Amino acid sequence: SQQGEEDPQALSIQEGENATMNCSYKTSINNLQWYRQNSGRGLVHLILIRSNEREKHSGRLRVTLDTSKKSSSLLITASRAADTASYFCATDNYGGSQGNLIFGKGTKLSVKP
Amino acid sequence: DVKVTQSSRYLVKRTGEKVFLECVQDMDHENMFWYRQDPGLGLRLIYFSYDVKMKEKGDIPEGYSVSREKKERFSLILESASTNQTSMYLCASSFPGGEDIQYFGAGTRLSVL
Repeated sequence: SQQGEEDPQALSIQEGENATMNCSYKTSINNLQWYRQNSGRGLVHLILIRSNEREKHSGRLRVTLDTSKKSSSLLITASRAADTASYFCATDNYGGSQGNLIFGKGTKLSVKP
Repeated sequence: DVKVTQSSRYLVKRTGEKVFLECVQDMDHENMFWYRQDPGLGLRLIYFSYDVKMKEKGDIPEGYSVSREKKERFSLILESASTNQTSMYLCASSFPGGEDIQYFGAGTRLSVL
């Protein structure tokens, strides 16, 4: 079952601009992760934020988490053409099968040079 | 670095054929997963395994089976391939009890004619 839902479904920006993607989820979580998928390839883990954290940074990535609203955002600053990919949020299956993640449907980001 | 290897990047099979998709990971991970990915539907979990010879059904197990005879290898089997099983298949592995970060293979794009 899909828990995370990303918004927008697609985003097109110019190189150098910031890209913001949002994720909403339905149930309690231990942590939330963001993954990236280049066209036709597997997913790659980007960043994880725990339920007791509000913000986390990694290079040009900034993730926020609001557990009261059950939402997260991923900000990519100073985007590059190489950031063109689909981005997925994933939540752990709190109280369910250990190790399983529930993925959203993704945001397709296109960064134009 | 964790490496998850899927045996084929592209596969074309005929309706009714038995199809084997192989996945091997080199990080001694207990958990392994098979997903299929379709446009607009995101990632859907087919089967997962927490240990050798163990398997659990995911959200869409119908028409599939799995085998895990060795810890590093998780095979997905389409007993009698059908055209609606044309899809991108992704294998992943993770270490249990931690943050449940999943490491993905490059994917197998299967076409059933």
